[in-house]
Amino acid sequence: EDKVVQSPLSLVVHEGDTVTLNCSYEVTNFRSLLWYKQEKKAPTFLFMLTSSGIEKKSGRLSSILDKKELFSILNITATQTGDSAVYLCAGSLTGNNRKLIWGLGTSLAVNP
Amino acid sequence: ETGVTQSPTHLIKTRGQQVTLRCSSQSGHNTVSWYQQALGQGPQFIFQYYREEENGRGNFPPRFSGLQFPNYSSELNVNALELDDSALYLCASSQDRVSYNEQFFGPGTRLTVL
Repeated sequence: EDKVVQSPLSLVVHEGDTVTLNCSYEVTNFRSLLWYKQEKKAPTFLFMLTSSGIEKKSGRLSSILDKKELFSILNITATQTGDSAVYLCAGSLTGNNRKLIWGLGTSLAVNP
Repeated sequence: ETGVTQSPTHLIKTRGQQVTLRCSSQSGHNTVSWYQQALGQGPQFIFQYYREEENGRGNFPPRFSGLQFPNYSSELNVNALELDDSALYLCASSQDRVSYNEQFFGPGTRLTVL
């Protein structure tokens, strides 16, 4: 059965810390790995990773995919209280199957 | 450019009832996906609609059904509600079937089944 596992499930840090969130996957017909940030309700898109070893970067956030070891990490440097959220990763499938396989998320709390 | 909107924001129903949730897609988007997110869980894919046709379905029973209208807005209908249907229901719109990186989520409808 396809699955995506995130760790840790929750994390509490202080402002300015750097955090690394992990996402491992076992997805048949894997196409890409997506990261989302969910604050109150709607998840907002962060990154889509399809190629191994190529880092995607957006400001203080960066992510990389390892297709051999079947995992991805999301790094956040110099964390701010506004980074507090649930970070979700999901695997997408090739072909005509449109569903995404989601992890449970990592709940990040950044304290001032 | 208007974003994805959903209605209602919150809803309380009792077991056995039926519910209809609505989603207006972002301007220019022709694909709508529906997800169920239980508390503390990741979203679960229910189904996707592309140009008024169902285009992919997750592991949900037939009492979960949907529609997409010519203006690409969409409805999710759930019949014979069960307690486990209590969740946040998210819809996401995108410009075509494969644009996962451009899938914009609405604020969600929080459904509580008593």
